[in-house]
Amino acid sequence: QQPVQSPQAVILREGEDAVINCSSSKALYSVHWYRQKHGEAPVFLMILLKGGEQKGHEKISASFNEKKQQSSLYLTASQLSYSGTYFCGTDRGSTLGRLYFGRGTQLTVWP
Amino acid sequence: DAGITQSPRYKITETGRQVTLMCHQTWSHSYMFWYRQDLGHGLRLIYYSAAADITDKGEVPDGYVVSRSKTENFPLTLESATRSQTSVYFCASSENPGAEEDTQYFGPGTRLTVL
Repeated sequence: QQPVQSPQAVILREGEDAVINCSSSKALYSVHWYRQKHGEAPVFLMILLKGGEQKGHEKISASFNEKKQQSSLYLTASQLSYSGTYFCGTDRGSTLGRLYFGRGTQLTVWP
Repeated sequence: DAGITQSPRYKITETGRQVTLMCHQTWSHSYMFWYRQDLGHGLRLIYYSAAADITDKGEVPDGYVVSRSKTENFPLTLESATRSQTSVYFCASSENPGAEEDTQYFGPGTRLTVL
């Protein structure tokens, strides 16, 4: 039921790039990405809808391949503030808004 | 305060007691959600509500009860708390599920410990 995220953890130096993957066994209507810092609530990053392949800002972007039921989050030139746990949430469309979250990818950025 | 709030922020209770976690949002969002977060499991949906008086089960509803008599409030009750319900509980709200601007806004969470 839950999407599968990989890798489980990533350690980077400032300025390095990272890719986090999210894969579902079910057809998807949309994919949501969230970041959560330790002890805080998850914060929305972006949503990718069916038919919209890629979006985001210059340093944090994401893609959605609906045929493969996969999404990837790209973090380029990482900053210390990027540290946290990243979750993908998948909406299958049968009940809009009902998200199934992956187990998270812990990203640590060192100076 | 504007936004989504949860109370209490921390709660310790004993097995068998009834506990109610409160969630309040000021945006008049139609949709509200309750999640629990446990190490290694990510966020799992307990219950959700599409509008006042409309609620439905999520992935892990057993042992929980919800109500939504007013749009802005969505309380979660543990009828008889068990140790396995020790967790961090997040409430969230959303205005336009399925739309390009769809966002779930999360409350700060309630850390519940059942002894």
